[in-house]
Amino acid sequence: QQQVKQSPQSLIVQKGGISIINCAYENTAFDYFPWYQQFPGKGPALLIAIRPDVSEKKEGRFTISFNKSAKQFSLHIMDSQPGDSATYFCAPRVVSGSARQLTFGSGTQLTVLP
Amino acid sequence: ETGVTQTPRHLVMGMTNKKSLKCEQHLGHNAMYWYKQSAKKPLELMFVYNFKEQTENNSVPSRFSPECPNSSHLFLHLHTLQPEDSALYLCASSQEEGREKLFFGSGTQLSVL
Repeated sequence: QQQVKQSPQSLIVQKGGISIINCAYENTAFDYFPWYQQFPGKGPALLIAIRPDVSEKKEGRFTISFNKSAKQFSLHIMDSQPGDSATYFCAPRVVSGSARQLTFGSGTQLTVLP
Repeated sequence: ETGVTQTPRHLVMGMTNKKSLKCEQHLGHNAMYWYKQSAKKPLELMFVYNFKEQTENNSVPSRFSPECPNSSHLFLHLHTLQPEDSALYLCASSQEEGREKLFFGSGTQLSVL
C-alpha cells in the first residue's frame, strides 16, 4: 500500500516565484522527514529535513513546514531559480521495531522558467 | 562529488546476458543499498547491507543477485532479465543502516532488450 502521497507530480514556476510541494503520509511511525533533490543524470541528494518535534525549519530559500495532526509536510522554495529545476522527493523514515527505512514519494518535477 | 561511484553509467543487455553493476563508496560508511528507479514511480528499495551482512531483501526476483565483499563495495549481478527490469539502478550508502542521510551514486541506466 502507498504510505506516502506526494503532490503535485509536476510544477512550473516563474523565476522569483514560490514553489510548494506537498507530502501526505498515513503511517504514524515516521520519525524523520527529509526532502531529496535529484538533477538529471544524478542520484538524489538530501536537501533539507525536519524532525516531528518542530513545525518549521528554514535553510536559505528552502523551508519545510510540518503539520503532525494533518500528517503532512511540505517543501517551500522561495525566490525560485532556474537552477532549482529538478525532481524533488519526500522520503519520511518509518520505524518498525529496530528497523528504520526511508519511504520515498513518487517525486515532483519542478521547472523554473527564466 | 558524492563519494559514491557507480559503473557502468549505461548498460544495454539482452535477456539472456549476464552482467554486473558495481558500486564503490569512499565515505567510510557501513551500510550500502540498491534502489530501483522507474519513471514516475517511487524509488524501490531492493537490498540493504549493513556491515557486509544482508539485512533486507525486498522481495526482489532471484534474477537480481547482490554481493557485498566489504563495506566499500557493492555489486548487483544480473541474469536473464526482463524488459520491465529496464530502469535506473541507484546505489547509496549511509553511516549505518537506518541512519538518516543517504548518499547516492549517479546510477546505472539499464536497458533490457
